[in-house]
Amino acid sequence: SQKIEQNSEALNIQEGKTATLTCNYTNYSPAYLQWYRQDPGRGPVFLLLIRENEKEKRKERLKVTFDTTLKQSLFHITASQPADSATYLCALDSTGGKLIFGQGTELSVKP
Amino acid sequence: NAGVTQTPKFQVLKTGQSMTLQCAQDMNHNSMYWYRQDPGMGLRLIYYSASEGTTDKGEVPNGYNVSRLNKREFSLRLESAAPSQTSVYFCASRGFQGVVNTQYFGPGTRLTVL
Repeated sequence: SQKIEQNSEALNIQEGKTATLTCNYTNYSPAYLQWYRQDPGRGPVFLLLIRENEKEKRKERLKVTFDTTLKQSLFHITASQPADSATYLCALDSTGGKLIFGQGTELSVKP
Repeated sequence: NAGVTQTPKFQVLKTGQSMTLQCAQDMNHNSMYWYRQDPGMGLRLIYYSASEGTTDKGEVPNGYNVSRLNKREFSLRLESAAPSQTSVYFCASRGFQGVVNTQYFGPGTRLTVL
């Protein structure tokens, strides 16, 4: 069955550094992959989508890469700030517009 | 636009009680979804509705029923609550953000079953 895994450990980094989060998947070839941000007590919020034919996508300080050979996506936040502290979820498309979510990686940026 | 709204925000039930979680969206989206989120498990799809009048099972449908009342509203019912259904429940709808077709989530309902 389709499986998607993110860094299980929380990621702690210093303000100003680059945070890199990993999303790996197996038994599937998605047409696209999405990244969401979730703050405590709130629903996820869409950040970026990258298609299978795109190697990289950028939005302000965010960068996402998609390697269909490695079956992996990397999510980077450059010049990180304490306000970037949250849980980040990756999700793969499935049939019928459904998404399969990873368990999320909690990022903490210390000042 | 209010986006996706959910009621109630919090609920405590006893084992065997029933309840309905309400969800509404004002973005004219066709597709709507119900997820549950448990620690370390990520979001798991319970049921979804691709359009008004249709519903389908997701990954974890047992113990739940849904109703797509109209295009705006999609409710989730627990007929006989069990402690294993203690979770945070999110409703979502799917539509375009610019050129990207993505999901919009509600604030969630935190349910505890004793």
